[in-house]
Amino acid sequence: DTGVSQDPRHKITKRGQNVTFRCDPISEHNRLYWYRQTLGQGPEFLTYFQNEAQLEKSRLLSDRFSAERPKGSFSTLEIQRTEQGDSAMYLCASSVWSEQYFGPGTRLTVT
Amino acid sequence: KNEVEQSPQNLTAQEGEFITINCSYSVGISALHWLQQHPGGGIVSLFMLSSGKKKHGRLIATINIQEKHSSLHITASHPRDSAVYICAPTPNTGNQFYFGTGTSLTVIP
Repeated sequence: DTGVSQDPRHKITKRGQNVTFRCDPISEHNRLYWYRQTLGQGPEFLTYFQNEAQLEKSRLLSDRFSAERPKGSFSTLEIQRTEQGDSAMYLCASSVWSEQYFGPGTRLTVT
Repeated sequence: KNEVEQSPQNLTAQEGEFITINCSYSVGISALHWLQQHPGGGIVSLFMLSSGKKKHGRLIATINIQEKHSSLHITASHPRDSAVYICAPTPNTGNQFYFGTGTSLTVIP
């Protein structure tokens, strides 16, 4: 494992369905971040884990969004009752300290 | 309120030109990343710096903490440099990044 991986890379879903994304960080990285990026915009911070603890959540993370990192390794991001406005690239990054390494992203399209 | 401003938003250059992308931010920071994003979404961290200057090949990044300003320079630009370049300061009050909206660079052969 030489980098951050995310699965799936692409997801198309119908409005109202639930979706779950997975992020596998670099193995020795204790910090994990989720970001969302819409077309033409820079990424926006969603949430941050240090080990299994979720330490920061953006106000962008509505109650339809939940993220977990149960064993301090991989993380999941779930979106319930998806809306068309949720269509975006969801990026995961991991780090030991400040330097973050990004995964390839999961592109979500809500139809 | 936008904590990070990048300029220019779009840049087209001829191959071989020297390119400068600027980033100004309004928050106190512990570090600043310059990121490169190619079409398709993958993001690569080019630099992380908290003071002074760093150089990797044809890329140079500088930061002036007092002026809250950073620049990314590309010397002898090449079409493969075409990408979006994003400035991402890390505030010293938290662990998240703030991101600029990016500078879309196109280098024409």
